[in-house]
Amino acid sequence: GQNIDQPTEMTATEGAIVQINCTYQTSGFNGLFWYQQHAGEAPTFLSYNVLDGLEEKGRFSSFLSRSKGYSYLLLKELQMKDSASYLCAVTTGGGTYKYIFGTGTRLKVLA
Amino acid sequence: KAGVTQTPRYLIKTRGQQVTLSCSPISGHRSVSWYQQTPGQGLQFLFEYFSETQRNKGNFPGRFSGRQFSNSRSEMNVSTLELGDSALYLCASSSSGGSGNEQFFGPGTRLTVL
Repeated sequence: GQNIDQPTEMTATEGAIVQINCTYQTSGFNGLFWYQQHAGEAPTFLSYNVLDGLEEKGRFSSFLSRSKGYSYLLLKELQMKDSASYLCAVTTGGGTYKYIFGTGTRLKVLA
Repeated sequence: KAGVTQTPRYLIKTRGQQVTLSCSPISGHRSVSWYQQTPGQGLQFLFEYFSETQRNKGNFPGRFSGRQFSNSRSEMNVSTLELGDSALYLCASSSSGGSGNEQFFGPGTRLTVL
């Protein structure tokens, strides 16, 4: 089966650090994406991991462990504008791939 | 570069009707994917088109169909609408559709079925 699990909701304070976890069980794995989606808007790309380890991009970092089927998105120096849903997505398949999305984690940043 | 555009942005239909949604990808992008987004289920993959061919399909009934034109624009059709089809329908384009290519999403079409 194909399954991606993320916490439904998280709350953090402005200026803090938050880690959003994602675990997956999929038949096949090509890579893992993180997208950000503000309410009423389209998802936008944040990061892509294909190899194990940490990818850093400014205030955002994403980590992948393929052997554990686990990823996390780390957001540092939280800002109010980071309040959004964060979607974890896995691509699977060989020549024709599929995107499988988790249900997303709604992050609320409080002042 | 213009982003992905979707029309219409909002639609209200009644059960049993059919609907066609349109998506124009970013210029030069040949892959277009469609998703259904609902609060409880998140983004569910419908299908992906590349160079006018359906390359991948999700687990949706045959009432959901699509096509892609030679200019990469894509349409999605839902026939015999059901209440449960109420959702935000997103399309996303990518350059080649490879597993490592990020997808660029349109603003979505919000479909309400009464």
